[in-house]
Amino acid sequence: QKEVEQNSGPLSVPEGAIASLNCTYSDRGSQSFFWYRQYSGKSPELIMFIYSNGDKEDGRFTAQLNKASQYVSLLIRDSQPSDSATYLCAVSPSNYQLIWGAGTKLIIKP
Amino acid sequence: KAGVTQTPRYLIKTRGQQVTLSCSPISGHRSVSWYQQTPGQGLQFLFEYFSETQRNKGNFPGRFSGRQFSNSRSEMNVSTLELGDSALYLCASSRTIDRGASSAGNTIYFGEGSWLTVV
Repeated sequence: QKEVEQNSGPLSVPEGAIASLNCTYSDRGSQSFFWYRQYSGKSPELIMFIYSNGDKEDGRFTAQLNKASQYVSLLIRDSQPSDSATYLCAVSPSNYQLIWGAGTKLIIKP
Repeated sequence: KAGVTQTPRYLIKTRGQQVTLSCSPISGHRSVSWYQQTPGQGLQFLFEYFSETQRNKGNFPGRFSGRQFSNSRSEMNVSTLELGDSALYLCASSRTIDRGASSAGNTIYFGEGSWLTVV
């Protein structure tokens, strides 16, 4: 069964520090990887996607993909209290369906 | 460019009733997926439609059904509502979700959701 694993947290990070969120997946054939942010009571919103090994940067966010080790991570630099949310990892395997992790709750402490 | 639109946003139903939720995808998006999310739970996949065909279905009872119209708009229906059906129902659209492809077209965008309360 195809799975995506995330630490549920909560992960507590001081304001201004780097938050590191990790996600592992089981399907080696997966090609597209996504990070979404979900505030309490709101719908998930896309942060970024990645499909090549290595790093992809967008502002304060960096996604890292390592297909050999089957993990994808999200780094948030200069963390702000507004970054406090649940972060969802999603993986696109080979059958049209996205597989979702359960999410990591991130708390940024002022 | 308008986002994914879901209606209604909030509704209250009683046990045994049925409900229909509607979703209008982003213009040009042909894939529509539905998810259920209960408090503290992750996203539970219901089904995905592409060009009016259901391509994938999650592990939900037959009381949950859906359809997609030729204009890519989609509806989901829940019959014989139970208290446990109270949840946020999310619709998401994408241009497509290609089999095994590395493509930005696989990116899905969510609507604001429909909050269903069953009493």
